[in-house]
Amino acid sequence: AQKITQTQPGMFVQEKEAVTLDCTYDTSDPSYGLFWYKQPSSGEMIFLIYQGSYDQQNATEGRYSLNFQKARKSANLVISASQLGDSAMYFCAMRELTGNQFYFGTGTSLTVIP
Amino acid sequence: GAVVSQHPSRVICKSGTSVKIECRSLDFQATTMFWYRQFPKQSLMLMATSNEGSKATYEQGVEKDKFLINHASLTLSTLTVTSAHPEDSSFYICSASGPPGRFNSPLHFGNGTRLTVT
Repeated sequence: AQKITQTQPGMFVQEKEAVTLDCTYDTSDPSYGLFWYKQPSSGEMIFLIYQGSYDQQNATEGRYSLNFQKARKSANLVISASQLGDSAMYFCAMRELTGNQFYFGTGTSLTVIP
Repeated sequence: GAVVSQHPSRVICKSGTSVKIECRSLDFQATTMFWYRQFPKQSLMLMATSNEGSKATYEQGVEKDKFLINHASLTLSTLTVTSAHPEDSSFYICSASGPPGRFNSPLHFGNGTRLTVT
């Protein structure tokens, strides 16, 4: 089974609107971390936000927030007030306490429309 | 935040030559470094995991003799593409992590190397 599933290959959003990028995960480890990365066309991977499996509250970082639903094993990224510079690939990732590997989803390409 | 430096950012080489890519963690000790390959519009494909002072662990299907990885210190790992061929053209990106067992620690990435083999 896929550890990380991102079901939206491409998304469009109007500038200044909010957008939600979906991510579901699969793990039997009770301790894990969930991460979102942004990859613009230049290629660098930019860390956006982190959510720990034991965190009671949803993580927020500026315009980014994570809608963490542990029972459903989902960790959706919400970008508020989209900007043209938000156009990029977005990857959801997971790291488990056991093992040393990061698991990445297939990514979602976000295009912000002026 | 933690900084990982990767260079060169771009390299064009002739078929049959070897190319070395360096990945340095500038402000933390990278116990583990990961090397990824990425094809256009696709996700990261893990090639190998290298731990400081030990041999790299390669993923299935990755040729050890073609993609030589050395992790000689806690701040430097290198990937050498030996006898490169056009099919090795790709985007290679390294990342560094602290010790295992810290699931709240993000991966820190280099800016990637775009390799073109002519």
